[in-house]
Amino acid sequence: DAGVIQSPRHEVTEMGQEVTLRCKPISGHDYLFWYRQTMMRGLELLIYFNNNVPIDDSGMPEDRFSAKMPNASFSTLKIQPSEPRDSAVYFCASSLARTVYSYEQYFGPGTRLTVT
Amino acid sequence: GQQVMQIPQYQHVQEGEDFTTYCNSSTTLSNIQWYKQRPGGHPVFLIQLVKSGEVKKQKRLTFQFGEAKKNSSLHITATQTTDVGTYFCAGPILTGGGNKLTFGTGTQLKVEL
Repeated sequence: DAGVIQSPRHEVTEMGQEVTLRCKPISGHDYLFWYRQTMMRGLELLIYFNNNVPIDDSGMPEDRFSAKMPNASFSTLKIQPSEPRDSAVYFCASSLARTVYSYEQYFGPGTRLTVT
Repeated sequence: GQQVMQIPQYQHVQEGEDFTTYCNSSTTLSNIQWYKQRPGGHPVFLIQLVKSGEVKKQKRLTFQFGEAKKNSSLHITATQTTDVGTYFCAGPILTGGGNKLTFGTGTQLKVEL
């Protein structure tokens, strides 16, 4: 199994530009999570999906952030317009569980985003 | 504010010394998970504890869940350089949006030869 796949691994963009991060979860997993990690705020859950449906997006910082999961094998996190304070490592994780937090999450390698 | 705290924030040890990180939650947890993140890497699941007072071992690692299910600890015996990384606990905490897996602040472990 290839594990959770994320692209790109690194992204450098200018303030105001649109950024799209991509994730392919582990096949068969029915939960998908997007996290953001910074030194100041640690690891934060942004949003999670169950069977492609967004369940909890209360962690999304503001309307500039949006996430979609058009099918079971693909999800995107979009930031438009991007700002320097969005610079962070963004992780995607997937899980197979009867209840959302009863089983381990498998993290992807992350996308390191730098907004200048 | 941060609802899952870990101490210490950093720990430097000599190889062979023991290491312990403590995790404390503001609320009772149904379960607690532990993850390890190597420098430049991603969090990797280590274990999950569910029962009050539960103790689990993985080779040199011992995990414990408190009787009140509000705290947990990870103890590493005789650390090795391969133990370097940041150790996170995580537990489901009820927020305005429902239960959310909340990660602790993490303990960064450095092991010196």
